[in-house]
Amino acid sequence: DVKVTQSSRYLVKRTGEKVFLECVQDMDHENMFWYRQDPGLGLRLIYFSYDVKMKEKGDIPEGYSVSREKKERFSLILESASTNQTSMYLCASSYEGLAGRSSYNEQFFGPGTRLTVL
Amino acid sequence: DQQVKQNSPSLSVQEGRISILNCDYTNSMFDYFLWYKKYPAEGPTFLISISSIKDKNEDGRFTVFLNKSAKHLSLHIVPSQPGDSAVYFCAANGQGSGYALNFGKGTSLLVTP
Repeated sequence: DVKVTQSSRYLVKRTGEKVFLECVQDMDHENMFWYRQDPGLGLRLIYFSYDVKMKEKGDIPEGYSVSREKKERFSLILESASTNQTSMYLCASSYEGLAGRSSYNEQFFGPGTRLTVL
Repeated sequence: DQQVKQNSPSLSVQEGRISILNCDYTNSMFDYFLWYKKYPAEGPTFLISISSIKDKNEDGRFTVFLNKSAKHLSLHIVPSQPGDSAVYFCAANGQGSGYALNFGKGTSLLVTP
């Protein structure tokens, strides 16, 4: 079974703090993703990575950065946390699959990190 | 711009009856569709998928129907059970859409005993 783990289930930080959210997958997946989920807005893609050291902006990258130094680990960084970044953060991974069409392969999600910024 | 739309934020169904969750999409390049189920405080879990070469895919109590001409898909759950109460997300991808999935906003299903 694919396992995607996230470093914290719940996190409380103060405005202006630097926040690191870690995600690790154990299935040698090429692709990793960070989403945030907010009520009424669904899942919105922040950043994704299709290979080590490679990253692409998603729909809402402002205020975030990412790091992928190893294939199994994908970190989301809030350089200076703000209250509007209070949200549920979800990490996912998928393998490249056939003919480069990773979309034919489901994404596996971690349990999520509920971040509150005060 | 929301390319995958779930226009019903919530749905309530009695146990044993059919639940029908709907999803519409606007991008004609989408050719692969997935449904995810999410319980509170957990990550989404994959439920069922369908590619555009099919119009129906079945897995136990769950069936997904795809109407390409209408750009519409639906998830049927028969019979519905209280444990099915969760938020259901529709997602899509296709040529030129990149690696990521495009998600709808979700429909919260409540199955009452």
